[in-house]
Amino acid sequence: DGGITQSPKYLFRKEGQNVTLSCEQNLNHDAMYWYRQDPGQGLRLIYYSQIVNDFQKGDIAEGYSVSREKKESFPLTVTSAQKNPTAFYLCASSIGTGGEDGYTFGSGTRLTVV
Amino acid sequence: LAKTTQPISMDSYEGQEVNITCSHNNIATNDYITWYQQFPSQGPRFIIQGYKTKVTNEVASLFIPADRKSSTLSLPRVSLSDTAVYYCLVGDTGSNRDDKIIFGKGTRLHILP
Repeated sequence: DGGITQSPKYLFRKEGQNVTLSCEQNLNHDAMYWYRQDPGQGLRLIYYSQIVNDFQKGDIAEGYSVSREKKESFPLTVTSAQKNPTAFYLCASSIGTGGEDGYTFGSGTRLTVV
Repeated sequence: LAKTTQPISMDSYEGQEVNITCSHNNIATNDYITWYQQFPSQGPRFIIQGYKTKVTNEVASLFIPADRKSSTLSLPRVSLSDTAVYYCLVGDTGSNRDDKIIFGKGTRLHILP
């Protein structure tokens, strides 16, 4: 089945550590996105990529980094510079770069700082 | 950048029809209107998308008036499993991704038995 796979589902990080969240899609979608969701809140855009080897900052990119070396993969690294990283992270993809055909989301990774 | 406004929460009963309205006064010519459903600890799921008039699929209908400044998601005969957060999104259909699509806080729909 085609879709987006995020791993791990739960992740615990010690303060000062970098962690990388995985996002893989087999939908042949050009665009991929990372969102952050805090309890009771909407989704906030961290980074997005329209094409391989290119990506753009979203609204809350500070403390995060991404890469897009392959069309299928868009990993997100939460660095130690992100002061409040505990949140639910969602990866999405879309056929078109404007999301006009809708986004497909992964099942999310819940990151907790311990 | 088209901002959307939705009710924060709604309650309804099983078997009823539920209508959730979204305001988007600054919608642009190229913008589509898309609705998503999100259950706790899951990613949002695409429900329906439209540009104008009425769109219907197997799960919902979307009503868009001629001025496109609002839209209404209609869920027929809801069940307890329809309890979720519903997001209304307005976004550019073009290739210029600078006009970012924004997820607001959505509408928390609670279905009662």
